[in-house]
Amino acid sequence: EAGVAQSPRYKIIEKRQSVAFWCNPISGHATLYWYQQILGQGPKLLIQFQNNGVVDDSQLPKDRFSAERLKGVDSTLKIQPAKLEDSAVYLCASSLAGLSYNEQFFGPGTRLTVL
Amino acid sequence: DAKTTQPPSMDCAEGRAANLPCNHSTISGNEYVYWYRQIHSQGPQYIIHGLKNNETNEMASLIITEDRKSSTLILPHATLRDTAVYYCIVRGPTSYNNNDMRFGAGTRLTVKP
Repeated sequence: EAGVAQSPRYKIIEKRQSVAFWCNPISGHATLYWYQQILGQGPKLLIQFQNNGVVDDSQLPKDRFSAERLKGVDSTLKIQPAKLEDSAVYLCASSLAGLSYNEQFFGPGTRLTVL
Repeated sequence: DAKTTQPPSMDCAEGRAANLPCNHSTISGNEYVYWYRQIHSQGPQYIIHGLKNNETNEMASLIITEDRKSSTLILPHATLRDTAVYYCIVRGPTSYNNNDMRFGAGTRLTVKP
């Protein structure tokens, strides 16, 4: 079974530039999550989708971050404009459904460096 | 904020059992205990989860105390490839809107030869 795919794996940009990350979840997984992981910390949930609808985006900095999952499959996370403190690994995860007993499967992440 | 407390680091000898403790004294009756690990430069990997009873799978065993305020993840025969950060997570009730996983800093387990 193919895992969660993410691209790019690495991205270096200057502050105030824009960047986008792509995620392809495991086939058949209705729930998709984006996490931000700052160096030395655990992942922090940014947004959760159930099919193509947003379930929870309470921790997403909406003034600069946006995410979409138009057809309920792939998803993109965008930062515009980027700040130095956005330097982190952005992880995408998916699960069969968004219930507490459904494990989440994580992709390898995209490492963003903002200069 | 994470609902769990874990030691920041632990060492274990290769071939021996690794016992990783987790305190979750404020856990609610319908919250699950999850364990994930993160090997360097990879995404977190699911290990095991439980509600009340002890659980075992091919990777590990999860022992939850009777009062559910703490748990222990046991890797029965640790190998060098088990070196990773291990996260203990308390996860919300079975609803779509309140089950996000709040990761803490985890325990960095180093398995030594």
